[in-house]
Amino acid sequence: DQQVKQNSPSLSVQEGRISILNCDYTNSMFDYFLWYKKYPAEGPTFLISISSIKDKNEDGRFTVFLNKSAKHLSLHIVPSQPGDSAVYFCAASDDSSASKIIFGSGTRLSIRP
Amino acid sequence: DTEVTQTPKHLVMGMTNKKSLKCEQHMGHRAMYWYKQKAKKPPELMFVYSYEKLSINESVPSRFSPECPNSSLLNLHLHALQPEDSALYLCASSQNRGYEQYFGPGTRLTVT
Repeated sequence: DQQVKQNSPSLSVQEGRISILNCDYTNSMFDYFLWYKKYPAEGPTFLISISSIKDKNEDGRFTVFLNKSAKHLSLHIVPSQPGDSAVYFCAASDDSSASKIIFGSGTRLSIRP
Repeated sequence: DTEVTQTPKHLVMGMTNKKSLKCEQHMGHRAMYWYKQKAKKPPELMFVYSYEKLSINESVPSRFSPECPNSSLLNLHLHALQPEDSALYLCASSQNRGYEQYFGPGTRLTVT
């Protein structure tokens, strides 16, 4: 049973436009959400996080939106740059098992010129 | 310093070999993790150490044996592995349980 789902395995966006990556979760106990970026042959890099008490968190070109009622979060990247081409993982954790973060299956983002 | 280092980068071992993977962080983080990642899959948690004590073992086979000699170091001892254990092994650390985890570059392990 996948508790964190990224239903789009891949996404192609033109350079300069907005990239929107989506993530759904099923466990209503999740209260902390993270996005990681991964290049081939490297470990995941932490990008941005959001607590369930917020509905938006912004850091430079990256903004994460959380809709608790829909159990949905999204990552917006604007403007998209060639270096943003990577696999993006959504992840979630809950206070009762704070060491465990559950990863989604990832979305491969490609930024085209 | 926000770096987690892992050695070696690549490892090829036979099924009868004994080898170790090493991980180091100098961020003062008190939680350290081992993950396994197969191609086109998300990282899967194997072990969690919190304050140098094993706090989570995700039912990992005993041929994988973790060790935390001190708060900066984490080892993964490997013995009698199977070809299906070939994967990218990632180490991560966090300030405490539940905080953002910082990952190392991984060790690409091939079992022949």
